[in-house]
Amino acid sequence: NAGVTQTPKFQVLKTGQSMTLQCAQDMNHEYMSWYRQDPGMGLRLIHYSVGAGITDQGEVPNGYNVSRSTTEDFPLRLLSAAPSQTSVYFCASSYWGAGANVLTFGAGSRLTVL
Amino acid sequence: AQRVTQPEKLLSVFKGAPVELKCNYSYSGSPELFWYVQYSRQRLQLLLRHISRESIKGFTADLNKGETSFHLKKPFAQEEDSAMYYCALLRTSGTYKYIFGTGTRLKVLA
Repeated sequence: NAGVTQTPKFQVLKTGQSMTLQCAQDMNHEYMSWYRQDPGMGLRLIHYSVGAGITDQGEVPNGYNVSRSTTEDFPLRLLSAAPSQTSVYFCASSYWGAGANVLTFGAGSRLTVL
Repeated sequence: AQRVTQPEKLLSVFKGAPVELKCNYSYSGSPELFWYVQYSRQRLQLLLRHISRESIKGFTADLNKGETSFHLKKPFAQEEDSAMYYCALLRTSGTYKYIFGTGTRLKVLA
């Protein structure tokens, strides 16, 4: 049981490059989400999904795209990287229902945009 | 607007002293509230949730709807409690979203 797996762990990009952060979970969780963690800002929700084929925006969605074609995978795409997207990114998932919404987090992906 | 406020960025206490990490929220419905913790070089993980009403690692948190607070308390801090603590609110109506506070770094000094 791997839980939530994020790849890559570290990435350096140049401004304007695109990339995809991968997130996979093997717990059959309906809910998946992406956060960015910045000093003094806490965790901010980028995008989330409550099931395959369903995605929605969080607090800071600009510059990011997501898709949910399977229950297991929820990739985060940076379309044209900017230095403001330098951050640590966390993927998290959970079951969805009354009393069941405890998030399981991935190990994080540290992204630097030069 | 829904918001979670953690007023302290850093809280330093001596080992054996009581700890209180503050969390206030604004939400018009009935929220679910959580404390998540991130120890050094470990993943973020759940510490406790208000609906469980349990004590984990000596920590407790009571939901006070009148004061819209969910403060985290421990009577005697241990060095291994040093970590980053996040208070989080889950909207339970409308769009289901987690809202996290900005976090409080707890340092327990020997």
